[in-house]
Amino acid sequence: DAGITQSPRHKVTETGTPVTLRCHQTENHRYMYWYRQDPGHGLRLIHYSYGVKDTDKGEVSDGYSVSRSKTEDFLLTLESATSSQTSVYFCAISVGTGGNSPLHFGNGTRLTVT
Amino acid sequence: AQKVTQAQTEISVVEKEDVTLDCVYETRDTTYYLFWYKQPPSGELVFLIRRNSFDEQNEISGRYSWNFQKSTSSFNFTITASQVVDSAVYFCALFGVPITQGGSEKLVFGKGTKLTVNP
Repeated sequence: DAGITQSPRHKVTETGTPVTLRCHQTENHRYMYWYRQDPGHGLRLIHYSYGVKDTDKGEVSDGYSVSRSKTEDFLLTLESATSSQTSVYFCAISVGTGGNSPLHFGNGTRLTVT
Repeated sequence: AQKVTQAQTEISVVEKEDVTLDCVYETRDTTYYLFWYKQPPSGELVFLIRRNSFDEQNEISGRYSWNFQKSTSSFNFTITASQVVDSAVYFCALFGVPITQGGSEKLVFGKGTKLTVNP
């Protein structure tokens, strides 16, 4: 267990509302990631962080923002949720020096936007 | 651009059969890493193996084996004597190491192969 906690585990929200998902780690790893998983698309990177206040975009970053004010927390915010953002969101940490190291994933957050 | 193709969307086998999951990748990086992850019906994602581009040795771990062939850009995964507990979605992933510094951290996943092992 790599000590990753995602919250909430499930959320239903309405179109147009802001939503924040939290990823918390207990092991002080530098690299953290947010992925979304959708049928037929596999896992796609939204944003990642390589340190406190250091973040970068992934391949599907539109409509999402992130913040990392502490090593242990990586927040994903949907500024104005849309139905296309209904998905399962996974947080992951790299146990090494970045993307060339294995990722450990949280248990996921199932988000439904109605 | 990097790409991972898992052409088999779903595979169904009967217990004790051997099954191979295909993974074909594309990258222009000379240094890269390949991964396999497992997602059982419970939903969590579990790391299985990592291979770097300079190590083409096949790997065996119990009933699992991996065949890495740079000549065909493939990193296939074989389960021998499959069991019901092997039922899961399996993802192949690629991380290319850019030559220039500041390259982005983009681990690219295939779309996954859903394996169902029937008793």
